[in-house]
Amino acid sequence: GESVGLHLPTLSVQEGDNSIINCAYSNSASDYFIWYKQESGKGPQFIIDIRSNMDKRQGQRVTVLLNKTVKHLSLQIAATQPGDSAVYFCAENNRRPSYGKLTFGQGTILTVHP
Amino acid sequence: NAGVTQTPKFRVLKTGQSMTLLCAQDMNHEYMYWYRQDPGMGLRLIHYSVGEGTTAKGEVPDGYNVSRLKKQNFLLGLESAAPSQTSVYFCASSPKRSSGGSSYEQYFGPGTRLTVT
Repeated sequence: GESVGLHLPTLSVQEGDNSIINCAYSNSASDYFIWYKQESGKGPQFIIDIRSNMDKRQGQRVTVLLNKTVKHLSLQIAATQPGDSAVYFCAENNRRPSYGKLTFGQGTILTVHP
Repeated sequence: NAGVTQTPKFRVLKTGQSMTLLCAQDMNHEYMYWYRQDPGMGLRLIHYSVGEGTTAKGEVPDGYNVSRLKKQNFLLGLESAAPSQTSVYFCASSPKRSSGGSSYEQYFGPGTRLTVT
């Protein structure tokens, strides 16, 4: 899950393995969650999102799972590739009024070894 | 479609100097945001705008000012730069969300790396 301070959680996997990145959120009023991927030197890119009335959503090679009981979100990447190496952020919408504002987690570093 | 662009890409300032970061988007989005990203931390919202001529404070607004004179542009100003403002700055935009649940996806620019010495 997300950590406090300067040391980001890291996940190191072999090419072809499945990866699971976790995120804990604190606000039970959050109604929307989103995962971003950030490659070195670039801005964050959208991966997948999920609303609070869903438990699971699938995209291409990615699945997001939401457990509202324990306020936990996970991103699963199937058949991880070296190009998946990046920092992954979860973000939530929990502000009222919203105006599309997101609160970001601190990120997890994923390293994929060929 | 260029998406979201930011200028400059890099800048070094001395303490006390001022500068303006420019963000431009060509997607006709209503909402725009400025974030800062520090090592080991996620993005923190500095200021945002919900439309031309409007701005509002985010989580960490102190030391920054913004303006949105045109819908496509969102400017971030540092009047008197401090070393604590050394960071990577990202601009993002998103469409106005219609009721009933469209996405909150924000589209990000490539960032500006600012160093204050």
